[in-house]
Amino acid sequence: DTAVSQTPKYLVTQMGNDKSIKCEQNLGHDTMYWYKQDSKKFLKIMFSYNNKELIINETVPNRFSPKSPDKAHLNLHINSLELGDSAVYFCASSQDSRGLGNTIYFGEGSWLTVV
Amino acid sequence: TQLLEQSPQFLSIQEGENLTVYCNSSSVFSSLQWYRQEPGEGPVLLVTVVTGGEVKKLKRLTFQFGDARKDSSLHITAAQPGDTGLYLCARTSNEKLTFGTGTRLTIIP
Repeated sequence: DTAVSQTPKYLVTQMGNDKSIKCEQNLGHDTMYWYKQDSKKFLKIMFSYNNKELIINETVPNRFSPKSPDKAHLNLHINSLELGDSAVYFCASSQDSRGLGNTIYFGEGSWLTVV
Repeated sequence: TQLLEQSPQFLSIQEGENLTVYCNSSSVFSSLQWYRQEPGEGPVLLVTVVTGGEVKKLKRLTFQFGDARKDSSLHITAAQPGDTGLYLCARTSNEKLTFGTGTRLTIIP
């Protein structure tokens, strides 16, 4: 049973298209995240939600819109895709967003290629 | 953004050798975590260190938190091909996890 699952795992699409990546966690966690990992493997937070409420929005373009229908799901919709959006997008979850040493569980990643 | 610098960026060694990778920052960490990411997968937590000078061991891996809580090291003894991966340190601040620049480790059989 996968703790944090995201779909699709691979996505190739043309510039200008709109696409969504879905994420679900079955750990009962309150907080979910989206991270972006670029070609140099640098992993950077994009958003975090706690109990469906947005906590962190790290200066991500408005073309990226997260949606959390419930605390077990956090989807990422991207409008007007650009070449620079090509990256691996990781969904993650944790029990809460506070506290020292909070363990974050990552999904396997969604490999987005914009052509 | 306070960057976490990891070194070396790339490391390729023979099976059986020992190695150390480093994570440094100019600011103090409240806590620091080490993750390993294997190709095609997400990062997986290895350890969390909280106290300055703390040393934690995980089988052949030894993690140390600097006394001033500004740096950390990961030492691997008798490296094995299964240790191959991207090693990331991360610090918690402002309710978010900030990752280091990463060390890509390759163990050659």
